Amino acid sequence: EVQLVQSGAEVKKPGESLKISCKGSGYRFSNYWIGWVRQMPGKGLEWMGSIYPADSDMRYSPSFEGQVTISVDKSITTAYVQWSSLKASDTAMYYCMRSGSSNQNAFDIWGQGALVIVSS
Amino acid sequence: DIQLTQSPSSLSASVGHRVTITCRASQSINNYLNWYQQKPGKAPKLLIYAASSLQSGVPSRFSGGGSGTDFTLTISSLQPEDFATYYCQQSSSTPLTFGGGTKVEIK
Repeated sequence: EVQLVQSGAEVKKPGESLKISCKGSGYRFSNYWIGWVRQMPGKGLEWMGSIYPADSDMRYSPSFEGQVTISVDKSITTAYVQWSSLKASDTAMYYCMRSGSSNQNAFDIWGQGALVIVSS
Repeated sequence: DIQLTQSPSSLSASVGHRVTITCRASQSINNYLNWYQQKPGKAPKLLIYAASSLQSGVPSRFSGGGSGTDFTLTISSLQPEDFATYYCQQSSSTPLTFGGGTKVEIK
């Protein structure tokens, strides 16, 4: 079964760091982009960026560049997004997704989501 | 950046009715337009890719159309399980962008 499994919910304080993960299985991990999307409470979907595991080619949304770091370890088929200093406004659900050229880079497989709560 | 404008932002419809949602792009994106369904507390699910191609496993009552800047998602006969929020998304160029969403509610 093709799937992306994300790490669990996190509760952090402002200023703390965080790294959440997304593990792919059931397919050739290196050959599909992995993207990340933020969904703030009650709001829509915002693309943060995507990485291509085969060569770590990166694309960031200007809204998120410099705010987060996306990375990948293809040896363990896992992608990550990390924050060095969280803010209350980072409170949101974060999804990872797979996309490939066979369907014009639509996001065909989604992780279950990781809820991040940042509160003092 | 390519802006996607969905309309309406919400609608009420009865089971069995036909529903159409539109998505307009701020510039031509050819057919690089995808549609997703999201139910409360769940991850989005791909319905349509490349404007009109039905994703595997998605019921045939869902269809997509359009090219260039104007696109539609149609549900031919609304079912109880279709009440959800629908998003369009362009994969023509980065930054990838989503429409604001259309919430489909029971009338």
